[in-house]
Amino acid sequence: DVKVTQSSRYLVKRTGEKVFLECVQDMDHENMFWYRQDPGLGLRLIYFSYDVKMKEKGDIPEGYSVSREKKERFSLILESASTNQTSMYLCASSLGAPRDTQYFGPGTRLTVL
Amino acid sequence: AQRVTQPEKLLSVFKGAPVELKCNYSYSGSPELFWYVQYSRQRLQLLLRHISRESIKGFTADLNKGETSFHLKKPFAQEEDSAMYYCALILGDDKLIFGTGTRLQVFP
Repeated sequence: DVKVTQSSRYLVKRTGEKVFLECVQDMDHENMFWYRQDPGLGLRLIYFSYDVKMKEKGDIPEGYSVSREKKERFSLILESASTNQTSMYLCASSLGAPRDTQYFGPGTRLTVL
Repeated sequence: AQRVTQPEKLLSVFKGAPVELKCNYSYSGSPELFWYVQYSRQRLQLLLRHISRESIKGFTADLNKGETSFHLKKPFAQEEDSAMYYCALILGDDKLIFGTGTRLQVFP
């Protein structure tokens, strides 16, 4: 059974803080993804990665960066958190091909005050 | 722009009634479409994909290229079907694009 874990379920940060969201998968998946989920906007792709040290911008990369130093771990970084980054953040992983099922983590609800 | 449209934010039905969650897409290539579901307090998960032509939990979805639609249907809704449903489309550059989601409420 695929397991995708995220480091925190809830996180509260202040404007201007640097924030790290961690995601780990245990199924040796090639692809990993970061989305944000907002009511009325659905899921929007922030960044994704096809391999270690590789990253691609999604639809809303502004204000975010990512790191993938190991295959199983994909980190989302908010360099200077802002209130409009308050959201639910979902991590996902998939085996390799685009049509492969994406397996999601439980989500991190981030509040930026 | 290539996108996925789910026109209904909320769909409410009574148990036993038929359900149709609408999804329309705009894509110039050959589409590959999916339905993902998120039950209360659970993770988002794949429900079904159009290439499999399968029925999962009584749900089916047929790709209609003429109408550019991929509506999700179930003849008799159950209370446990209450959830958030997302339609998703693969773009040629390997990204999965999600719609805005439809919340299905099934009343007893």
